[in-house]
Amino acid sequence: SQKIEQNSEALNIQEGKTATLTCNYTNYSPAYLQWYRQDPGRGPVFLLLIRENEKEKRKERLKVTFDTTLKQSLFHITASQPADSATYLCALSLNSGYSTLTFGKGTMLLVSP
Amino acid sequence: SQTIHQWPATLVQPVGSPLSLECTVEGTSNPNLYWYRQAAGRGLQLLFYSVGIGQISSEVPQNLSASRPQDRQFILSSKKLLLSDSGFYLCAWSLGQGPSPLHFGNGTRLTVT
Repeated sequence: SQKIEQNSEALNIQEGKTATLTCNYTNYSPAYLQWYRQDPGRGPVFLLLIRENEKEKRKERLKVTFDTTLKQSLFHITASQPADSATYLCALSLNSGYSTLTFGKGTMLLVSP
Repeated sequence: SQTIHQWPATLVQPVGSPLSLECTVEGTSNPNLYWYRQAAGRGLQLLFYSVGIGQISSEVPQNLSASRPQDRQFILSSKKLLLSDSGFYLCAWSLGQGPSPLHFGNGTRLTVT
């Protein structure tokens, strides 16, 4: 069966460090992958999208990599701040036409001052 | 700019009672519309999606139904709630058939007692 795995344990890091979150998938050949941020009691907010033919995508302090051989995406936040504390979700879509997104369970990031 | 409205924010309902959650989108035409559920400790589960008025696709068999009576209105309903229907219900929209991001509402926290 198809699976999307994100580390269920919270990631605790110190302010100013780089946070790296992992999204692994099995039995998928996704056309693209998205990352979202979710704060408690709120809906997820879109951050970045990366296509299967792209290795890396950046936006300000955020960087996403996509390795279709390893079936893995890494999400990096550089110079992390306490305001970056949230749950981060990865989501996959199977084709570049119309397709619904399947979400991982998310990883909570806690940035301490 | 586009906005999405979802209400109510919280709801407590007894088992066996009916349910109606409403979602409306402003500032765009012919959006794709989605209902997701997020149960405690679980990922986002796609319940229904719609690519046009009157077109509803169901992802999982359950006690719920969805309708799209107008282009930018999406309604989630149940005739008789079960305890297992408790969760955080999120409406979202996207545009087009390509890999466009989902834009979520702020959700409804439903507790079935």
